[in-house]
Amino acid sequence: QVQLQESGPGLVKPSQTLSLTCTVSGGSISSGAYYWSWIRQHPGKGLEWIGNIYKSGSTYYNPSLKSRLTISVDTSKKQFSLKLSSVTAADTALYYCARVNPVDGRYFDYWGQGTLVAVSS
Amino acid sequence: QSVLTQPPSASGTPGQRVTISCSGSNSNIGSNTVSWYQQLPGTAPKLLIYSNNQRPSGVPDRFSGSKSGTSASLAISGLQSDDEADYYCAAWDDSLYGLFGGGTRLTVL
Repeated sequence: QVQLQESGPGLVKPSQTLSLTCTVSGGSISSGAYYWSWIRQHPGKGLEWIGNIYKSGSTYYNPSLKSRLTISVDTSKKQFSLKLSSVTAADTALYYCARVNPVDGRYFDYWGQGTLVAVSS
Repeated sequence: QSVLTQPPSASGTPGQRVTISCSGSNSNIGSNTVSWYQQLPGTAPKLLIYSNNQRPSGVPDRFSGSKSGTSASLAISGLQSDDEADYYCAAWDDSLYGLFGGGTRLTVL
């Protein structure tokens, strides 16, 4: 059973960089044709796709975040990471990592439990 | 404002059948498959339907999905109190960007 776990600071100051890591267990990031994704949910709001990374390092970013966003992967550690620069209060959200299954379309089949990040001084 | 449009709320009584719609365009739902997610209060979303109408193992057959053109629907039959949750549709656009609907809060009366 694949499991994903987000980790990182719960509080980030405005203008700084938000950094999160997702650790994958019960499976390998480098096996299969899966993509690995970050998704966020603003308090009381809906889901927002942030971006994907493939095991090769190829990335796809939400155009609205692209200028501030970096997603990277470390297959040896079974981790992928998110860096969002120049954060503001608008980046306060619950951040999820998820696996994208490309078989029969693309869909998020496994999710982490989420980690809440607040942007505040 | 989400690219995929869902009604903000839906409701039904126990045992009833309810449907939730998801409307998109040719560049997303019209040319790619749709998935649906259930988010119970305080929990992460859970995959409910993939590839328009496929259920993952463990999802009851009370849940079904369909797609026609640029719209999709999730149907829940035999409504139960445990079904009270937020439901999200998702699709990918032709540029490989992920898209979610705004979510529908289902209330079991």
